[in-house]
Amino acid sequence: KAGVTQTPRYLIKTRGQQVTLSCSPISGHRSVSWYQQTPGQGLQFLFEYFSETQRNKGNFPGRFSGRQFSNSRSEMNVSTLELGDSALYLCASSYQEQGAVQYFGPGTRLTVT
Amino acid sequence: SQQGEEDPQALSIQEGENATMNCSYKTSINNLQWYRQNSGRGLVHLILIRSNEREKHSGRLRVTLDTSKKSSSLLITASRAADTASYFCATASGGSNYKLTFGKGTLLTVNP
Repeated sequence: KAGVTQTPRYLIKTRGQQVTLSCSPISGHRSVSWYQQTPGQGLQFLFEYFSETQRNKGNFPGRFSGRQFSNSRSEMNVSTLELGDSALYLCASSYQEQGAVQYFGPGTRLTVT
Repeated sequence: SQQGEEDPQALSIQEGENATMNCSYKTSINNLQWYRQNSGRGLVHLILIRSNEREKHSGRLRVTLDTSKKSSSLLITASRAADTASYFCATASGGSNYKLTFGKGTLLTVNP
């Protein structure tokens, strides 16, 4: 089976802009989770989608949003970008809900200037 | 906030030596998982240990779990240069909708 794919791999945006990141899970996986990784805060949970419904949400402002499509592909959107949003954004999929083994994609490196 | 906290933050050893990393957490868990991340890339799952298990092995990896102390350890035996990576523990907790919470990781450097 193909692994989790994320597009794009690298992004450079300007403060105030918005960005959309895409994640395609492993075939058959219905849960997709998003994480933000920074040197200072480490890996932080953003949200999890299961069968097109948001099941869990981390402590991030409303500028961070996501959705999942019927084919389990997921997108996350960050509006009004801030310098502090520069990070590696990781997507992970699993067959079951949160708590199961997560299969991670390679990440999208977002740089906000 | 972080649920798991790894110790040490960084570890440097010679090839062939054993590496031990520890993880402490605060609340009751359903399971605890260890992941590896090579520099700037995605995480790879290593091993999952459930709350009712005390020890688990996978190849050169040995994981222990002490729920009374709320701690876990990951032992990598006969380390290789290719084991150089960051290692994270992640705890699954939260009732029926488990949430996976990661620690900040241990950076392991294995010198050839």
